[in-house]
Amino acid sequence: EDQVTQSPEALRLQEGESSSLNCSYTVSGLRGLFWYRQDPGKGPEFLFTLYSAGEEKEKERLKATLTKKESFLHITAPKPEDSATYLCAVQAQGGSEKLVFGKGTKLTVNP
Amino acid sequence: EAGVVQSPRYKIIEKKQPVAFWCNPISGHNTLYWYRQNLGQGPELLIRYENEEAVDDSQLPKDRFSAERLKGVDSTLKIQPAELGDSAVYLCASSRRGQAQGDTQYFGPGTRLTVL
Repeated sequence: EDQVTQSPEALRLQEGESSSLNCSYTVSGLRGLFWYRQDPGKGPEFLFTLYSAGEEKEKERLKATLTKKESFLHITAPKPEDSATYLCAVQAQGGSEKLVFGKGTKLTVNP
Repeated sequence: EAGVVQSPRYKIIEKKQPVAFWCNPISGHNTLYWYRQNLGQGPELLIRYENEEAVDDSQLPKDRFSAERLKGVDSTLKIQPAELGDSAVYLCASSRRGQAQGDTQYFGPGTRLTVL
């Protein structure tokens, strides 16, 4: 069964304090790994898709990396507006199309 | 480009009452998904449509849940009768099928259902 585990569950940072979020996964053939951001009362907002080990993608202060067992979301010099829950999801090969999500990491950045 | 539209945004009902949620996907997206998100959890797939065909409804509680996507565009998810445990956020997502690699799913704002 496909499974995603995110850690830590919650992370509190000071503005400018860089850190990383972890997403460990087991899947029967990875088709894609997705990162989403979710603000309170809103739907998940797409950030990145990673397809193969070694791949990296960047967007502003965020950088996502992928290995065969896990993905990291690195946050460099975060700002208070980066506060949100970050969700990781995997999509398996085989045509199912469904995303299997982790529980998310709630990030709080204090000014 | 307009995003996924859902209505209503909030719904409060008594248990055993029926409720329906509506979703309009991104224009040109032929795949539509309904997910349920419980508090503190990630979304879980309920049903997936390819155009007007439900191709994956294995996680849909069919005794009380039903869905339709007439004409392959808008979709409605219904619960009848609702139970206390159905309280959750119901998310609709859409994607454009046919990309070489994983199809990115774009989510709507969700409908927060409270069953009293």
